[in-house]
Amino acid sequence: KQEVTQIPAALSVPEGENLVLNCSFTDSAIYNLQWFRQDPGKGLTSLLLIQSSQREQTSGRLNASLDKSSGRSTLYIAASQPGDSATYLCAPGGKLIFGQGTELSVKP
Amino acid sequence: NAGVTQTPKFRVLKTGQSMTLLCAQDMNHEYMYWYRQDPGMGLRLIHYSVGEGTTAKGEVPDGYNVSRLKKQNFLLGLESAAPSQTSVYFCASSLRLAGLYEQFFGPGTRLTVL
Repeated sequence: KQEVTQIPAALSVPEGENLVLNCSFTDSAIYNLQWFRQDPGKGLTSLLLIQSSQREQTSGRLNASLDKSSGRSTLYIAASQPGDSATYLCAPGGKLIFGQGTELSVKP
Repeated sequence: NAGVTQTPKFRVLKTGQSMTLLCAQDMNHEYMYWYRQDPGMGLRLIHYSVGEGTTAKGEVPDGYNVSRLKKQNFLLGLESAAPSQTSVYFCASSLRLAGLYEQFFGPGTRLTVL
């Protein structure tokens, strides 16, 4: 059974810092991995989808990497802003299982 | 293009009452999903559908039924609500299996069962 772990569970940083969120999964037989953002009381918004054939995917200040062999993905956020405050979830594709998320707070 | 919409946004039920949650998508997606989200438990898959007229069980299907009579709609039913079903329910859709294709989520329905 696929198990997904996200570390850290919560993170508080001052504005402007670069930060890394981690996602690890036990079953490496995945097609892709999707990163989501969830604002309080809202649904999930897709941030990045990394195909299994890719190693990285970038969108603006976000960069996600995927290492299937080691069962890891990282989400890098550059120059963090207060508007980045949200919970970030990863979902290794194919198993419809999500990590519990990293709650990020960026202080002005 | 509204994406994925859910009705209602909030609902309070008494134990034993029934209700249906409606999910609609306008992206012509084949796959649709129902999840519940609970503190400390994360998102868990209840049921999903791979096409019109088909449904399948997910991780936590007990106490729920679903129907996909039209491609754009996916209904989640609670026949006899229990307090353990108090949760936030999310619907999602994807063109094909979420493992291959991007998954899009609705805004959620917050359900309280007293």
